[in-house]
Amino acid sequence: GNSVTQMEGPVTLSEEAFLTINCTYTATGYPSLFWYVQYPGEGLQLLLKATKADDKGSNKGFEATYRKETTSFHLEKGSVQVSDSAVYFCALSDPYSGGGADGLTFGKGTHLIIQP
Amino acid sequence: EAGVAQSPRYKIIEKRQSVAFWCNPISGHATLYWYQQILGQGPKLLIQFQNNGVVDDSQLPKDRFSAERLKGVDSTLKIQPAKLEDSAVYLCASSLVQLSTDTQYFGPGTRLTVL
Repeated sequence: GNSVTQMEGPVTLSEEAFLTINCTYTATGYPSLFWYVQYPGEGLQLLLKATKADDKGSNKGFEATYRKETTSFHLEKGSVQVSDSAVYFCALSDPYSGGGADGLTFGKGTHLIIQP
Repeated sequence: EAGVAQSPRYKIIEKRQSVAFWCNPISGHATLYWYQQILGQGPKLLIQFQNNGVVDDSQLPKDRFSAERLKGVDSTLKIQPAKLEDSAVYLCASSLVQLSTDTQYFGPGTRLTVL
C-alpha cells in the first residue's frame, strides 16, 4: 500500500536558520505530493504541492521538489521565522488507488519550533 | 468564501455511548472526506464521498462507524458504540473535483474524548 515517511520531531531551530524536513514515499504509480501545515490552534492548510516528477511547489518561502528517482519530496526554507513554528505534514494522493479514490495518505508530522 | 464547517468542536462521551459529527463542505465541492487524527499521528482517511455516493470506505470500521451524505452536500459521521481508542480529532475535508491533483480543504475538526 501507499505510505509516507517523514523525519521525526520536534525540530528546533534558531530564527533565520536553513530548514529541511525530509519526506519519502511509497506509492503504486505517480502520485501527487503535498505539504500541509497546522499552526497552533488552527486547522490543516495546504502549504504547497507538486503533481508530477521534477515539479517544484513553492509558497511563503518554502519549496519542495518532486524527485521520482529518490521517491522524495523534502521541504526547504532558506531562512525560518518564529511564525513558521507549526506541525508540517507530508502527504500523497495516488490516482492508481483504484475506483477513483484519491484520499490523502499522510506522514506522522514534524513539529517545528523556531526560537528567536 | 466560507470554509469547511464542522460541529461540534469538542465532545466528551463515555465508552459504549454513541456520537455524531456534522460537516458542511465548501459550496460547490463535489468530493467530501472524513479523516481520523489520533494524537501524535497524521490524519487517516476513513471515507470518501463523490456527491452522495461512497468512493472509498476501505478503512472505515464498519462495525461501529457509519457515514452518510444525503443530497450530496452535508455529511454526518456516527460512532456507535464508542471505544476508548476512538479518542481522536475527526477532520472533514472537501475538494472541488475528484482528482488526485486537486487541493483538499480541511475543517477545524471535532475533538472526541472517550472516557
